[in-house]
Amino acid sequence: NAGVMQNPRHLVRRRGQEARLRCSPMKGHSHVYWYRQLPEEGLKFMVYLQKENIIDESGMPKERFSAEFPKEGPSILRIQQVVRGDSAAYFCASSRDISYNEQFFGPGTRLTVL
Amino acid sequence: KQEVTQIPAALSVPEGENLVLNCSFTDSAIYNLQWFRQDPGKGLTSLLLIQSSQREQTSGRLNASLDKSSGRSTLYIAASQPGDSATYLCAILRGNKLVFGAGTILRVKS
Repeated sequence: NAGVMQNPRHLVRRRGQEARLRCSPMKGHSHVYWYRQLPEEGLKFMVYLQKENIIDESGMPKERFSAEFPKEGPSILRIQQVVRGDSAAYFCASSRDISYNEQFFGPGTRLTVL
Repeated sequence: KQEVTQIPAALSVPEGENLVLNCSFTDSAIYNLQWFRQDPGKGLTSLLLIQSSQREQTSGRLNASLDKSSGRSTLYIAASQPGDSATYLCAILRGNKLVFGAGTILRVKS
């Protein structure tokens, strides 16, 4: 039973480019969460999605960031026009259901903006 | 606003020692509490989850307790080993989101 998969593991972008981060939840999990870990800071919630729906995006920056979890395929976190302050580790987690809600994390994508 | 505090920030112990990591939170209205370990440059590994109706959970050498009334959780590690060296994170589930503490960096010396 594969765990949460994220790709790429490392991503380098120049300022102004777009970054696309992918997350495939564990088999049988329909809830996906994205978290960000900035250098020297703790993990912060960004967004919670179920298939085809954004449930809670209270942690998402208002501009340039978007997330989706289509009916088919992985969840995507998209960052447009990246800036150096976007450099961080982005983690995806998934859970089977909301009542118990043990979240399992992927290995993360480390984004570096030059 | 829910805040999660972990003490100590860093801990260095000799191999074989028993140790306790502490986590406190400001709002007792939590759904559950999860302890994770994070190795440098890696993702998070879930260690234990305690539901709000439970008082403790055990897995191998690890035991986690939860006292909602005082807003505290402890992670007890018995007979520590060098392989236990990592950052330990406490997180409370508030609504749909996990709120994390800053972590305790543990080093077990051989």
